[in-house]
Amino acid sequence: DTGVSQNPRHKITKRGQNVTFRCDPISEHNRLYWYRQTLGQGPEFLTYFQNEAQLEKSRLLSDRFSAERPKGSFSTLEIQRTEQGDSAMYLCASSPLRGARETQYFGPGTRLLVL
Amino acid sequence: GQQLNQSPQSMFIQEGEDVSMNCTSSSIFNTWLWYKQDPGEGPVLLIALYKAGELTSNGRLTAQFGITRKDSFLNISASIPSDVGIYFCAGQLTYKLSFGAGTTVTVRA
Repeated sequence: DTGVSQNPRHKITKRGQNVTFRCDPISEHNRLYWYRQTLGQGPEFLTYFQNEAQLEKSRLLSDRFSAERPKGSFSTLEIQRTEQGDSAMYLCASSPLRGARETQYFGPGTRLLVL
Repeated sequence: GQQLNQSPQSMFIQEGEDVSMNCTSSSIFNTWLWYKQDPGEGPVLLIALYKAGELTSNGRLTAQFGITRKDSFLNISASIPSDVGIYFCAGQLTYKLSFGAGTTVTVRA
């Protein structure tokens, strides 16, 4: 399977714990995005990387959130001191940078439940 | 928050019917994308539109990029049971996508 992969698919944690999610983009896709989706809504942009550089962070991404893409390949999203409001589906997408036509392909997501 | 208004919010289909949904925005976009999402899964790309006025088909799906760059529609012809799911429109100006709230398509009993 050469699509975007995410691990774990599901995570249940207690409030106050730290969690980390991983995204492996499609090979050679240099742009990588993180989105968050709550029930009944479309995904909302969190942050994106071009290669290893993090180029924008949404104001949705509080100080408790951090994302990295150390070698320009896989990425991790960490949430520290989780809160119940962090419960959501966290989606990763990747795209190749080819001129003006960019198409983002999504992974299956990591569903987080904070108790 | 969501910038795009997607309608209808939900619809019931009968096998064989044609289905239409649309998306409008107060802002212009350079790209419009349509995705389908099944429960517990990530969105799957259906159609990408890159130019105002562009009309693109993918099998039984047809989508158009509005001439004002502020709207798009998606048509599904001769619907089948596996068409059920949530359809999202997404607009892109530079890099990030802005999504609508989705149209939920359900099979009418």
